[in-house]
Amino acid sequence: SQTIHQWPATLVQPVGSPLSLECTVEGTSNPNLYWYRQAAGRGLQLLFYSVGIGQISSEVPQNLSASRPQDRQFILSSKKLLLSDSGFYLCAWKLAGSTDTQYFGPGTRLTVL
Amino acid sequence: AQSVTQLDSHVSVSEGTPVLLRCNYSSSYSPSLFWYVQHPNKGLQLLLKYTSAATLVKGINGFEAEFKKSETSFHLTKPSAHMSDAAEYFCVVIIPGGYQKVTFGTGTKLQVIP
Repeated sequence: SQTIHQWPATLVQPVGSPLSLECTVEGTSNPNLYWYRQAAGRGLQLLFYSVGIGQISSEVPQNLSASRPQDRQFILSSKKLLLSDSGFYLCAWKLAGSTDTQYFGPGTRLTVL
Repeated sequence: AQSVTQLDSHVSVSEGTPVLLRCNYSSSYSPSLFWYVQHPNKGLQLLLKYTSAATLVKGINGFEAEFKKSETSFHLTKPSAHMSDAAEYFCVVIIPGGYQKVTFGTGTKLQVIP
C-alpha cells in the first residue's frame, strides 16, 4: 500500500527566515507530486507539480520554490518567508499518466510571525 | 480550459436531514470527478470518484454523487446528516493529458446543527 508523509506537522517561523517542508511517498514509483496551499478562508491553491526527478513546474510566481531530489521526495522551500506565506500546506501524489485519485498528506500548518 | 464551481460556500443542515452540496464543472474532455472532505487541520480524504463507469457513485460515510453530463454537474448528497459530517468539502476535476491537470473547487463548508 502507498503512504504519504509530511513534516513537520506545525511550524512557526519569523518573517525573513528560511523554510523547508518535506514530503515523501512510499509504495509507488514515479508518482506525480503536488504542493498546495490553503490560506485562511480560501480554497486550495496549486503551487508546484512534478512529473519526475528534477522536473518542477510552478503554477504561481512567488518567493517559494520546490525541488524533487529523489523519485518519491518533494521539498518546498523559501529563502525568506513573508507574512502572506502563512497557511496550511498539503502535499499530494497521483499515479503518473492517470486521471485517477490524488492522495493527500496530513499537511503542515505554517504560521509566519 | 477546465473549471469547477461549487455553488455554495456554506451549507447548514439539521442533524438527520438530507445534505446537498452542489458542484458544476466545465471541461473540453471527458473528466474524472472527485469529492474530498477535509476536517479542520487535517489533510483531504477521498469521499468518492467518478471515472466514466456508473454515473451514480457511492462513497464512504453514506455519501453519493451523480454525474450528469447534460447538466455538467456532480452534486454530492447524503440522505441523513450526522454531526461528524461537519467539515469542508471539495469538488475536483481531472482531465486526461500530458500532465492530467487537477482543478479544485473553492470548497463548501458544511455545518450540521444538532
